[in-house]
Amino acid sequence: DGGITQSPKYLFRKEGQNVTLSCEQNLNHDAMYWYRQDPGQGLRLIYYSQIVNDFQKGDIAEGYSVSREKKESFPLTVTSAQKNPTAFYLCASREGHSGNTIYFGEGSWLTVV
Amino acid sequence: AQSVTQLGSHVSVSEGALVLLRCNYSSSVPPYLFWYVQYPNQGLQLLLKYTSAATLVKGINGFEAEFKKSETSFHLTKPSAHMSDAAEYFCALRGGGFKTIFGAGTRLFVKA
Repeated sequence: DGGITQSPKYLFRKEGQNVTLSCEQNLNHDAMYWYRQDPGQGLRLIYYSQIVNDFQKGDIAEGYSVSREKKESFPLTVTSAQKNPTAFYLCASREGHSGNTIYFGEGSWLTVV
Repeated sequence: AQSVTQLGSHVSVSEGALVLLRCNYSSSVPPYLFWYVQYPNQGLQLLLKYTSAATLVKGINGFEAEFKKSETSFHLTKPSAHMSDAAEYFCALRGGGFKTIFGAGTRLFVKA
């Protein structure tokens, strides 16, 4: 089935560590996104990518980094510079210019221990 | 500027009662509007979308929404609430470029 796969579902990070969240889609979508969601809060855009080898900062990019080396993959690295990384992270994708609907993965929980 | 406002961060209804979740938008171009549902610890699932065809849009799980341009609204309704409808609901607007603008969300509680 076509969809968006995020892994791992749960991840624990020690202080000062970088961690990478995986996001893979087989929908052949051009655009991919990373959102952060804090408990009881809405969605905040971290980074997005419209095409391979190109990405733009969203509203809260500080302390995060991304890459888009392949159309189907958009990994997110949470660096040690992110002071409050504990949150639910959602990856999403959308078709190119003609696409309107954004689709989401199942999310990944990151907790700092 | 484009924006989405969801009225009420929490809505509580009794099982079998009407569900009404309110969404207003602001857009300088004809909007594409969406409703998503999120269950605990899961991603967002598309309920329905308005893309300028019919103003009354039917979605999954018995939900529907009506686009009213004069009121800049896109309220979500369901005639009879089920316990399984308890979740967080997000209204969204396709923004400029590749962005989608989300409302803050409304948590629906269903009482037995």
